[in-house]
Amino acid sequence: EVQLVESGGVVVQPGGSLRLSCAASGFTFDDYTMHWVRQAPGKGLEWVSLISWDGGSTYYADSVKGRFTISRDNSKNSLYLQMNSLRTEDTALYYCAKGLAAAGTGGVWFDPWGQGTLVTVSS
Amino acid sequence: SSELTQDPAVSVALGQTVRITCQGDSLRSYYASWYQQKPGQAPVLVIYGKNNRPSGIPDRFSGSSSGNTASLTITGAQAEDEADYYCNSRDSSGNRVVFGGGTKLTVL
Repeated sequence: EVQLVESGGVVVQPGGSLRLSCAASGFTFDDYTMHWVRQAPGKGLEWVSLISWDGGSTYYADSVKGRFTISRDNSKNSLYLQMNSLRTEDTALYYCAKGLAAAGTGGVWFDPWGQGTLVTVSS
Repeated sequence: SSELTQDPAVSVALGQTVRITCQGDSLRSYYASWYQQKPGQAPVLVIYGKNNRPSGIPDRFSGSSSGNTASLTITGAQAEDEADYYCNSRDSSGNRVVFGGGTKLTVL
């Protein structure tokens, strides 16, 4: 069974730092691009970042660029998100998701998703 | 602001057909994918690519695309289909990903 389990979410003060982890199992982890997606309380989904299978390519949403860093350790089947200079608007449930894509016009899709880990930025 | 636009809420009578739409310039170049999210649960992929359903997704769910608009159609909506639905695709650069704002589907 393909499974993604996030951890590391806590309450942190504005300006603080946090590292989220996502443990993957049930599939060949280093075959896939991985993503972080977040959802603020009562709000919609917001894509945060992606990392290619080998870590060679990373992309970020404008809202987190320069503050968050995505990484992976394929030897540990793990995905990470280092979050610095946290703001109250970063409060959200953070999901990791396995990314799939088709060449050309096929787009990109996420399957499966983890259950999420809650990050609360508050003083 | 999202580069993909969805209606905030749609309703459908039990057993009837409903179409949920997603608009954005990037959809002229890339197919959208669709996710169902029920309260307190993680999103679940229901449609991807041109019109593909993952294993376990009922065939009453289908997808289509025309110009800058992608659509998710539920033919014969069931009570258990009541949920939030999100579209996503690549952004105009092709390197990043965007989500629509979501559509809350109510089954009457």
